[in-house]
Amino acid sequence: GDSVTQMEGPVTLSEEAFLTINCTYTATGYPSLFWYVQYPGEGLQLLLKATKADDKGSNKGFEATYRKETTSFHLEKGSVQVSDSAVYFCALRGAAGNKLTFGGGTRVLVKP
Amino acid sequence: KAGVTQTPRYLIKTRGQQVTLSCSPISGHRSVSWYQQTPGQGLQFLFEYFSETQRNKGNFPGRFSGRQFSNSRSEMNVSTLELGDSALYLCASSPRQESINTEAFFGQGTRLTVV
Repeated sequence: GDSVTQMEGPVTLSEEAFLTINCTYTATGYPSLFWYVQYPGEGLQLLLKATKADDKGSNKGFEATYRKETTSFHLEKGSVQVSDSAVYFCALRGAAGNKLTFGGGTRVLVKP
Repeated sequence: KAGVTQTPRYLIKTRGQQVTLSCSPISGHRSVSWYQQTPGQGLQFLFEYFSETQRNKGNFPGRFSGRQFSNSRSEMNVSTLELGDSALYLCASSPRQESINTEAFFGQGTRLTVV
């Protein structure tokens, strides 16, 4: 079945540092890929998405590129802020389209 | 436009009881999905409703059920609660029946604690 693996956290960074969160997936066919963010005490917010190979999703300074050859969708941000402290989830929606499959989440802590 | 609204936000129940959680989707959205989030299992799909019909179901026991009303609002019910049902239950809405490109918009969740 479909699965998503993302790096375990926590990831601790200083403000203005570069952030990378690795995400790889296993799925049949060509899934759509998503990054969601969860702030403390909140639900999930869609951060960005990509629906086909080589697509780049971007939002709020975050970027991720759909790499079919490496089955990856790594999240990057060039200069993080304290407000980026949250848990980030990589997810896919497979060919059946009927559910999101999530990775385990990566907690990011940005210190001033 | 109002987002997805889940009520209540917090709930404490005793083992063996049952509980009903409510979800109001974004106006105009017709599909509602439910997910369970726990520290041990992460985020797991429960079920999806579209046009008052359950379209898909995850791998959960029959104690977990749901329904959708004609106004697209949805409820999920858990009967005979167990300690392991303690979790954050998240509802997500989508404009139409979920397909491969569908974006899902999540509510803030209902935090259920079973004691």
